[in-house]
Amino acid sequence: EPEVTQTPSHQVTQMGQEVILRCVPISNHLYFYWYRQILGQKVEFLVSFYNNEISEKSEIFDDQFSVERPDGSNFTLKIRSTKLEDSAMYFCASRRTSGGANEQFFGPGTRLTVL
Amino acid sequence: SQKIEQNSEALNIQEGKTATLTCNYTNYSPAYLQWYRQDPGRGPVFLLLIRENEKEKRKERLKVTFDTTLKQSLFHITASQPADSATYLCALVGDYGGSQGNLIFGKGTKLSVKP
Repeated sequence: EPEVTQTPSHQVTQMGQEVILRCVPISNHLYFYWYRQILGQKVEFLVSFYNNEISEKSEIFDDQFSVERPDGSNFTLKIRSTKLEDSAMYFCASRRTSGGANEQFFGPGTRLTVL
Repeated sequence: SQKIEQNSEALNIQEGKTATLTCNYTNYSPAYLQWYRQDPGRGPVFLLLIRENEKEKRKERLKVTFDTTLKQSLFHITASQPADSATYLCALVGDYGGSQGNLIFGKGTKLSVKP
């Protein structure tokens, strides 16, 4: 069964460093998302991506964040200068068709720890 | 602002009983509502979707109801098993615009089923 994969599973970085979180969505999916979950809190939407551009982004997704789909399979989230409060689980998700009714398939997450 | 509340942070029940989880929302009129399961350290997994014109949806031992007047959804697991122990998340489609389907999640209810 196809699944969303994410690497690395755990990333430790120093405050101020750049990190790139990688995702491989399901191959025939068209819509891609990043969410984050701070420990003990709810899953929060960051950004959606369709047709090689950002569709929507939340207030969390400021200038420190960027997304890219560099080739036909990878989808990346870059945090330019990490802060302590960026420590969280980051989930990539994908969806096949348009319309919010369709289920989203989530990856296993990358745990980002900023020291 | 929009709010999604899952009334219980934790619910403990005996194996074989029916678990009922509640999701309430305010300042929103979603066209559909989704339920996800999340195990510790893992990404959410889609369970069920219900549309505003549907009162009830079933899938095996799962049942979801949707009352747009009360702004409430109930999620039932019948004949519960220890393997059902997990956190269950209610999610609405966000209103950032367009049809990109970004999800707004509740904080979740942690269900524990004791043998």
